[in-house]
Amino acid sequence: SQQGEEDPQALSIQEGENATMNCSYKTSINNLQWYRQNSGRGLVHLILIRSNEREKHSGRLRVTLDTSKKSSSLLITASRAADTASYFCATDATQGAQKLVFGQGTRLTINP
Amino acid sequence: DTEVTQTPKHLVMGMTNKKSLKCEQHMGHRAMYWYKQKAKKPPELMFVYSYEKLSINESVPSRFSPECPNSSLLNLHLHALQPEDSALYLCASSRMALGQNEAFFGQGTRLTVV
Repeated sequence: SQQGEEDPQALSIQEGENATMNCSYKTSINNLQWYRQNSGRGLVHLILIRSNEREKHSGRLRVTLDTSKKSSSLLITASRAADTASYFCATDATQGAQKLVFGQGTRLTINP
Repeated sequence: DTEVTQTPKHLVMGMTNKKSLKCEQHMGHRAMYWYKQKAKKPPELMFVYSYEKLSINESVPSRFSPECPNSSLLNLHLHALQPEDSALYLCASSRMALGQNEAFFGQGTRLTVV
């Protein structure tokens, strides 16, 4: 299985601090994606990084990808209470229609 | 319109019932997916439709029957479910272009089997 493993499983920080979540996976991939999920509802796509990219930014989000270590990290800077959610990495090794395999997720709590 | 709409939001059904979950998108996406998510677990892929044809079935029991009537609609027909099938069922869609495959998820149907 190429299922990703994420750490930490849970992270609690103060508002304004930075939050870093890590993801490891097992097989070669086309891309790696990060999603956010609030309160067990739908997932929201945050960012996609292709296998030939090493770093990507989107607003307060910074994602890195190290294919040699089969790992990725998601950094959220200047956290806000609204960032409280579960964050999942998902790997895609397919062509065309994708077969996303999700990591176990990190539960992030931002304390005001 | 970047929404994936799922109905119903909540469903309670008995083990002898037949029900259907519905999913709709109007983004022109030609890939549509069903995922199952248990509490505090990641989503698990069930089915993938590509150009209205079933392309992936992740060994899902036959009591779950997917259907893709057209490029905008995806159904999941449920029959003779078990209490352990209670979960959040998520529909998603994406483009088929390589490297542009971010998935758009619906809000899910919370299913309880009694």
